[in-house]
Amino acid sequence: DAGVIQSPRHEVTEMGQEVTLRCKPISGHNSLFWYRQTMMRGLELLIYFNNNVPIDDSGMPEDRFSAKMPNASFSTLKIQPSEPRDSAVYFCASSPGTSESGELFFGEGSRLTVL
Amino acid sequence: GENVEQHPSTLSVQEGDSAVIKCTYSDSASNYFPWYKQELGKGPQLIIDIRSNVGEKKDQRIAVTLNKTAKHFSLHITETQPEDSAVYFCAARETSYDKVIFGPGTSLSVIP
Repeated sequence: DAGVIQSPRHEVTEMGQEVTLRCKPISGHNSLFWYRQTMMRGLELLIYFNNNVPIDDSGMPEDRFSAKMPNASFSTLKIQPSEPRDSAVYFCASSPGTSESGELFFGEGSRLTVL
Repeated sequence: GENVEQHPSTLSVQEGDSAVIKCTYSDSASNYFPWYKQELGKGPQLIIDIRSNVGEKKDQRIAVTLNKTAKHFSLHITETQPEDSAVYFCAARETSYDKVIFGPGTSLSVIP
């Protein structure tokens, strides 16, 4: 299995531009998570989906952030417009979504720099 | 919601010594406590986990203990090696679906 695949690995953009981060979860996994990692705030849960349905988006910083999961094999996290304080590493993780297995499988992350 | 605290934030040990990282959680209903290791430039990876019906679990050089009454859990690494150098995160899972909340992390350095 290729694991969780994220793209792009690195993105440099200017303030005000739209940013779209993409994630392909592990096939068969029912839960998908978006985390943001910064030195100051650590690993923050932004939103998570179960069976493609958003369950909890209380971690999404503000209306500039949105996430979708149109099918079981694809999710996007969009920032519009981007700001310098959005600079961080964004991780996508998937999980089998059962009570027996709580392991999260993380992608390699997308490093975003907003100038 | 759940809040996870972790100490120390940085830890430096000599190769062969033991390392201990401690965490506390706030939600007494949490029932699953994983530990993740993150190497530079990579995503976190699960190294060991423990469920609320168990007090201790071992896997070779690593062990985790859980005190549900005090809401404490700890990671113990024995006979540390340079390749153990990484950032370690504790976490707790809330009872609703699979929401996992992470502690702030501990940067472990093992000095050869």
